[in-house]
Amino acid sequence: SQQGEEDPQALSIQEGENATMNCSYKTSINNLQWYRQNSGRGLVHLILIRSNEREKHSGRLRVTLDTSKKSSSLLITASRAADTASYFCATDLTGNQFYFGTGTSLTVIP
Amino acid sequence: DTEVTQTPKHLVMGMTNKKSLKCEQHMGHRAMYWYKQKAKKPPELMFVYSYEKLSINESVPSRFSPECPNSSLLNLHLHALQPEDSALYLCASSQVAGEEQFFGPGTRLTVL
Repeated sequence: SQQGEEDPQALSIQEGENATMNCSYKTSINNLQWYRQNSGRGLVHLILIRSNEREKHSGRLRVTLDTSKKSSSLLITASRAADTASYFCATDLTGNQFYFGTGTSLTVIP
Repeated sequence: DTEVTQTPKHLVMGMTNKKSLKCEQHMGHRAMYWYKQKAKKPPELMFVYSYEKLSINESVPSRFSPECPNSSLLNLHLHALQPEDSALYLCASSQVAGEEQFFGPGTRLTVL
């Protein structure tokens, strides 16, 4: 079964607005990662947060992790049309067990 | 070189054919992965190679057979596939298992 569930399933915002996606998972993890996928193409790694970290930033991205609630969020600030893509969280359990969440489809309207 | 390459980009095969998908990276990564992704679904992990040894097989049917000839190459041998195996097959690599993964563009497989 899938380790991660994401919400919302789809999100549509205006350019310049912030986008927030949430990920919940079921078991203890080593780390949690966020990826972006443009339609039908390979995935691009965005950010990795380890189980002992609570928050991480990278450019316009901010990721939080709450291990007590088994949840994470990805915030994209000042969104651009080029941010339109599917976003997946992924959890690493042991280094060899790696599960993607259900994904959020983000549309940024110019 | 920070690229993972996959060949072919597209593959159409019959249920009795034997074909192979290829993946290559030259980043010195010691972990390589095969994923299967159906339309509008997340990638599902099929195989992980860590230091050229198969470290986990996610109960994938035996008609899929992975091979890691060396630390830069990963193959997926296909035999007697079913139409439901049609999907995007993604290869990825990471420095070590569990860390940031670099993905190839995928092979879109259609089984007739």
